Amino acid sequence: DARVTQTPRHKVTEMGQEVTMRCQPILGHNTVFWYRQTMMQGLELLAYFRNRAPLDDSGMPKDRFSAEMPDATLATLKIQPSEPRDSAVYFCASGFRAGNFAGELFFGEGSRLTVL
Amino acid sequence: DAKTTQPPSMDCAEGRAANLPCNHSTISGNEYVYWYRQIHSQGPQYIIHGLKNNETNEMASLIITEDRKSSTLILPHATLRDTAVYYCIVTPQGGSEKLVFGKGTKLTVNP
Repeated sequence: DARVTQTPRHKVTEMGQEVTMRCQPILGHNTVFWYRQTMMQGLELLAYFRNRAPLDDSGMPKDRFSAEMPDATLATLKIQPSEPRDSAVYFCASGFRAGNFAGELFFGEGSRLTVL
Repeated sequence: DAKTTQPPSMDCAEGRAANLPCNHSTISGNEYVYWYRQIHSQGPQYIIHGLKNNETNEMASLIITEDRKSSTLILPHATLRDTAVYYCIVTPQGGSEKLVFGKGTKLTVNP
């Protein structure tokens, strides 16, 4: 079965360290989303891309977060420097969008980040 | 995007139908109703979506009222594995189509 693959699944780091999370979207999907989930805030949309171009990153703290798609098979979310409040589960999702057609989103299993 | 209102929690007996309501009174004409669910510690999973007609697939049925201001997701024969948080989301298809998740309904299926 095609699936969205996220790495690492778990990451524990110390405050101030750089963290990079990676996502491999499903082959053929042209839209990639990054979400963050915490108990307090629920699922928050951080950023999303269409055909590797960023469409909306308004949900992302700009000073420390950055999201990129170096190629169609890889999306990255980087936090530098990390802070304890960044502790959360980060989900990547991919889907296909063309014109008025929007297929379902497929989510990865998430990257659980703990910043000490 | 139109906002949705869902009850925070519901219970259902195993084998019975689970009917999950969602109010979206400010929905506009080009907005679809999507349902996703999230089983503990997993990523959200798509269930079904619709515009104005009722929809059915292998997982569930979606009933949308004629005025489109509310909808109900029906799991016809709930199992213990259906215990999850269910999210009702309203968003335009095409265009930005970003999914904004609310708090959802925590459905607990009891044996």
